[in-house]
Amino acid sequence: DAKTTQPNSMESNEEEPVHLPCNHSTISGTDYIHWYRQLPSQGPEYVIHGLTSNVNNRMASLAIAEDRKSSTLILHRATLRDAAVYYCILRRPTGNQFYFGTGTSLTVIP
Amino acid sequence: DVKVTQSSRYLVKRTGEKVFLECVQDMDHENMFWYRQDPGLGLRLIYFSYDVKMKEKGDIPEGYSVSREKKERFSLILESASTNQTSMYLCASSPPRLAGGRTDTQYFGPGTRLTVL
Repeated sequence: DAKTTQPNSMESNEEEPVHLPCNHSTISGTDYIHWYRQLPSQGPEYVIHGLTSNVNNRMASLAIAEDRKSSTLILHRATLRDAAVYYCILRRPTGNQFYFGTGTSLTVIP
Repeated sequence: DVKVTQSSRYLVKRTGEKVFLECVQDMDHENMFWYRQDPGLGLRLIYFSYDVKMKEKGDIPEGYSVSREKKERFSLILESASTNQTSMYLCASSPPRLAGGRTDTQYFGPGTRLTVL
């Protein structure tokens, strides 16, 4: 299984940008990079994914390093509702499994 | 919106009881998954199913079984509950892989917090 490494926790001030890093040095050329988040007392929810190019959607941006060994999830203006555990996952093109690690617990300070 | 529902948010059972956790999805997804989540261990896959009556073991299947008789429903069964099965149980579903190896996403239910006494 493909492993990712994330900091256990991070803090951000409300309305400031947040950069959540993820290392995935064992990534293969066809692995997709997924990000999910889990709000308190809820199941995880999809945030964004990418393969090689940077990606933007209404929730966040995903910046992928040129060698693809790391990526960064960017929340442009953190709100209190963004306080959650954020998971970085590598998704193989075959097989059905997602491998979740322990994620980064984001605290947003008012 | 995709909806994945789980039969209970909280459940308390006694050691040795047979426990059924039910999960229903309304998006006609082929794939369904059961995870458990424990502090410091993240989400770990118990079983998954890619079609009706089909199942595959995940990383920690011991002590669990599953049933998928209908496409929309995936049940997790604890044959004889033990205290070390106290955990948060999460169900998820996903569509099949798209042609060309494009990726897919998983949709999760709210979870069932099971306590075994």
